[in-house]
Amino acid sequence: EAGVAQSPRYKIIEKRQSVAFWCNPISGHATLYWYQQILGQGPKLLIQFQNNGVVDDSQLPKDRFSAERLKGVDSTLKIQPAKLEDSAVYLCASSPRRNEQFFGPGTRLTVL
Amino acid sequence: GQQLNQSPQSMFIQEGEDVSMNCTSSSIFNTWLWYKQDPGEGPVLLIALYKAGELTSNGRLTAQFGITRKDSFLNISASIPSDVGIYFCAGQLGAGGTSYGKLTFGQGTILTVHP
Repeated sequence: EAGVAQSPRYKIIEKRQSVAFWCNPISGHATLYWYQQILGQGPKLLIQFQNNGVVDDSQLPKDRFSAERLKGVDSTLKIQPAKLEDSAVYLCASSPRRNEQFFGPGTRLTVL
Repeated sequence: GQQLNQSPQSMFIQEGEDVSMNCTSSSIFNTWLWYKQDPGEGPVLLIALYKAGELTSNGRLTAQFGITRKDSFLNISASIPSDVGIYFCAGQLGAGGTSYGKLTFGQGTILTVHP
């Protein structure tokens, strides 16, 4: 069974630029999550989708972050404009139910 | 909000030694999960615990869900060099409400194993 796919793996941008990350969950997994992991910390949930609907986006900085999951499969997370403090690893996870989440390799974002 | 305190922050041990780490919470969780993260990779699920008092093993790993539902521990026996990595605990609420499914992670325990 293929795992959660994410791209790109690495991205370097300057502050105030825009960036987008892509996630392809495990086939058949209804729930998809985006996490932000700052160096030295555990992942923090940004947004949770159930199929193509948002379940929880309470910790998403909506003034600059947006996410969508069209057709309930792939998902994209966008940051516009980026700030220095957005430098982190962005992890996508999927779950067949709302437990036992499986994580992708992450996208490491560096904002200069 | 919920916070998880994971300890120790780091451990340096010799190959063959046993390791113990734990996680405590200010709130009750219905599920406890333990993950391992290698450099440049996402966390990989090691053990999932669903019931207070539950003791579950996965090879050399053993984890327990505390009776109070506010804590959990992970033991690794006879450590080997490939056990090196960062170990995270994560708590999850139960069914009902928008927080269902959301994982709250600890800060991680960095494990170094000297051959």
